Amino acid sequence: EAQVTQNPRYLITVTGKKLTVTCSQNMNHEYMSWYRQDPGLGLRQIYYSMNVEVTDKGDVPEGYKVSRKEKRNFPLILESPSPNQTSLYFCATSLAGAGDTQYFGPGTRLTVL
Amino acid sequence: GQSLEQPSEVTAVEGAIVQINCTYQTSGFYGLSWYQQHDGGAPTFLSYNALDGLEETGRFSSFLSRSDSYGYLLLQELQMKDSASYFCAVSSGYSTLTFGKGTMLLVSP
Repeated sequence: EAQVTQNPRYLITVTGKKLTVTCSQNMNHEYMSWYRQDPGLGLRQIYYSMNVEVTDKGDVPEGYKVSRKEKRNFPLILESPSPNQTSLYFCATSLAGAGDTQYFGPGTRLTVL
Repeated sequence: GQSLEQPSEVTAVEGAIVQINCTYQTSGFYGLSWYQQHDGGAPTFLSYNALDGLEETGRFSSFLSRSDSYGYLLLQELQMKDSASYFCAVSSGYSTLTFGKGTMLLVSP
């Protein structure tokens, strides 16, 4: 079954404690991206990756890092989380870039105290 | 940068037809997509328009006018399960995808 998985699904943490949200896909997609969703603001792109070892900033990259060491995984790293990073995070993948159908993971609800 | 405008909320009754508009300002426009999201769930793809005109997929249709920087999503024969948020999104190039703030559709009996 084709799927995009994220872990953890829910996380409550404290300011400054480094965390990683994992994203994995089994669809052999080249393109992967991360979004955050906040009430009234829609989905905003954090980072994207066109291929292995190729990543670039989206609209709201501050405070986040990513890596793409292998095609199937695209972890999102918060080195020093702050309360303004409390949000719902989605990973998405597609075969052929931003204009192609995006397949979203189930989301990770993060609370930073 | 890119910006998209869509209504924040639309209400309709079962069986009706509703249109959700989206206007955009962008550089390097490639196409306009529509996604549906039920209450906190994962967004799911509905349609994509790269060229002017109407694309029909079952009860849902999407329209694009590149010259007017405008598109809409048309939902026919509304059902209660269509109550959700709908997002338009603009892709500029192969890399970035910018979403509107979403339109909450409330379908009543």
